[in-house]
Amino acid sequence: KNQVEQSPQSLIILEGKNCTLQCNYTVSPFSNLRWYKQDTGRGPVSLTIMTFSENTKSNGRYTATLDADTKQSSLHITASQLSDSASYICVVSAQAGTALIFGKGTTLSVSS
Amino acid sequence: NAGVMQNPRHLVRRRGQEARLRCSPMKGHSHVYWYRQLPEEGLKFMVYLQKENIIDESGMPKERFSAEFPKEGPSILRIQQVVRGDSAAYFCASSTSVRGPSDQYFGPGTRLLVL
Repeated sequence: KNQVEQSPQSLIILEGKNCTLQCNYTVSPFSNLRWYKQDTGRGPVSLTIMTFSENTKSNGRYTATLDADTKQSSLHITASQLSDSASYICVVSAQAGTALIFGKGTTLSVSS
Repeated sequence: NAGVMQNPRHLVRRRGQEARLRCSPMKGHSHVYWYRQLPEEGLKFMVYLQKENIIDESGMPKERFSAEFPKEGPSILRIQQVVRGDSAAYFCASSTSVRGPSDQYFGPGTRLLVL
């Protein structure tokens, strides 16, 4: 069964600190993995997309890694800001053009 | 360039009524996807449409739910005879092409509450 599992479920950190969110997937065949940020009451916004051959991709203070062998990904957030408070969702695509499979997300709270 | 637009943002219906959710994709996008998000759950795929065609409806409930994306106008997700379990946030996303990992751009969602 195609599944995407994320950990931790929730996380609280102080402003300025770094954090890493984890994603494990069992989707096969694998096409690409995405990280989305979803603010409360809004739709998800794409942060990164990685294909099978990509190990890392950065978008500002966000850096995603992918290990296709172990089917694991991480999202590292550097120097967190209050505006980083949101749900971070790992999303896997089995093949281009088909349905995305969403994790339940990690809720990040950044406090001052 | 306006993003994906959805309306209404909030919709309240009584059991047995019909709900119509509308989605206008980003300019230049011809692919539309509908997702449902239940409380405390991740988004779940419902249906993928191109103009005038349903490409994949594997995530759509067999009864009461239908979707269309006409040649002109927005995509419509229609729920007939709503029940309390239909209460959820419904998100629409659009993209330009299915070749490669094209980005899907999401709308703000419609929050449906069935009383």
